[in-house]
Amino acid sequence: KNQVEQSPQSLIILEGKNCTLQCNYTVSPFSNLRWYKQDTGRGPVSLTIMTFSENTKSNGRYTATLDADTKQSSLHITASQLSDSASYICVVTVFGNEKLTFGTGTRLTIIP
Amino acid sequence: DAGVTQSPTHLIKTRGQQVTLRCSPKSGHDTVSWYQQALGQGPQFIFQYYEEEERQRGNFPDRFSGHQFPNYSSELNVNALLLGDSALYLCASSHRTSVSYEQYFGPGTRLTVT
Repeated sequence: KNQVEQSPQSLIILEGKNCTLQCNYTVSPFSNLRWYKQDTGRGPVSLTIMTFSENTKSNGRYTATLDADTKQSSLHITASQLSDSASYICVVTVFGNEKLTFGTGTRLTIIP
Repeated sequence: DAGVTQSPTHLIKTRGQQVTLRCSPKSGHDTVSWYQQALGQGPQFIFQYYEEEERQRGNFPDRFSGHQFPNYSSELNVNALLLGDSALYLCASSHRTSVSYEQYFGPGTRLTVT
């Protein structure tokens, strides 16, 4: 069964600190992996997307990594800001049918 | 470009009633996917439409149905509402040639069933 697991479920850090969120998946065959940021009650917004051949991709203070061999990805947030408080969802796409498999997300809270 | 828009923003219905949610895709997109997101959970795929036909469907009962119009906008209909249907309903649009690579989400419709 195709699954996407994220850890931790929730995380609280001080403003200005860095953090790393993890995503492990069993989706096969793999097409791409995307990280979304979702504010409470809002639609997800794409942060990065990586295909099989990409190991890292950055978007401002967000840097995603992908290890397709171990089927692991991480999202690193640098110099966190209060506006980074949100849920971060890892989404993996199945090659061929383009079906998206969502993780349950990591709830990140930044405190001043 | 207004991006993906959804209406209404919030909706309160009673058990047994029927509801229709609407979605307008981003300009240039012809494919619309619908998702249900329960509180604290990741989105669950309901179905996908392009060329006015349902192309893929997730594990949802027949009470969930949809429609796509010639202008690519879409509706999600839910009949015989249950308390468990309370959720954020998300619409995502893309072009059929790059469904997974470019999928933009709307702000969602919050449905509460009492």
